[in-house]
Amino acid sequence: SQQGEEDPQALSIQEGENATMNCSYKTSINNLQWYRQNSGRGLVHLILIRSNEREKHSGRLRVTLDTSKKSSSLLITASRAADTASYFCATVRMDSSYKLIFGSGTRLLVRP
Amino acid sequence: DTGVSQNPRHKITKRGQNVTFRCDPISEHNRLYWYRQTLGQGPEFLTYFQNEAQLEKSRLLSDRFSAERPKGSFSTLEIQRTEQGDSAMYLCASSSPGSRETQYFGPGTRLLVL
Repeated sequence: SQQGEEDPQALSIQEGENATMNCSYKTSINNLQWYRQNSGRGLVHLILIRSNEREKHSGRLRVTLDTSKKSSSLLITASRAADTASYFCATVRMDSSYKLIFGSGTRLLVRP
Repeated sequence: DTGVSQNPRHKITKRGQNVTFRCDPISEHNRLYWYRQTLGQGPEFLTYFQNEAQLEKSRLLSDRFSAERPKGSFSTLEIQRTEQGDSAMYLCASSSPGSRETQYFGPGTRLLVL
């Protein structure tokens, strides 16, 4: 079973608008990562935020982490049609495996 | 560096047949992970290797599933006596010793069991 839940499950916005996706998780973590998946393809790593960090930026991406609430958000600014994909958060626990525990994902549609 | 590759990309089989998937990680990546993803869900961890040693297996990995990484390079995932519930995307990922936190995923093998 998945550790996390993502909200919303699906999001449809107009090109140029911002998209915000939220992720909640259940256990203590080492870090949290966001991945993108185009339909029927493998996953692409977007950004990693460590448990002692609160915010991180990468290009048009902004990630926040609130360990007290066990939640994270991914903001994509100035969205483009090419951002259409599924976005997953994944947590890494404090063990040596570094295995990823994924949320259920948010399907983002950016309308041109 | 051509990334993680997986073969075949698609597999259709009849219930009860055995199937085997292959994953070639990025060269010099010592860790290799297998995940399974069903439609509309996030990937779920199955197992992982460090070099040739299989260090952890999920409860999802029933006794019909076996994974190997005999020389610490490529890995195979075999499913015996397939069931319709095995239909899913099987994803492989690898990571390097210097950056264990970041996994690089292959394109996946989509399995359909009829």
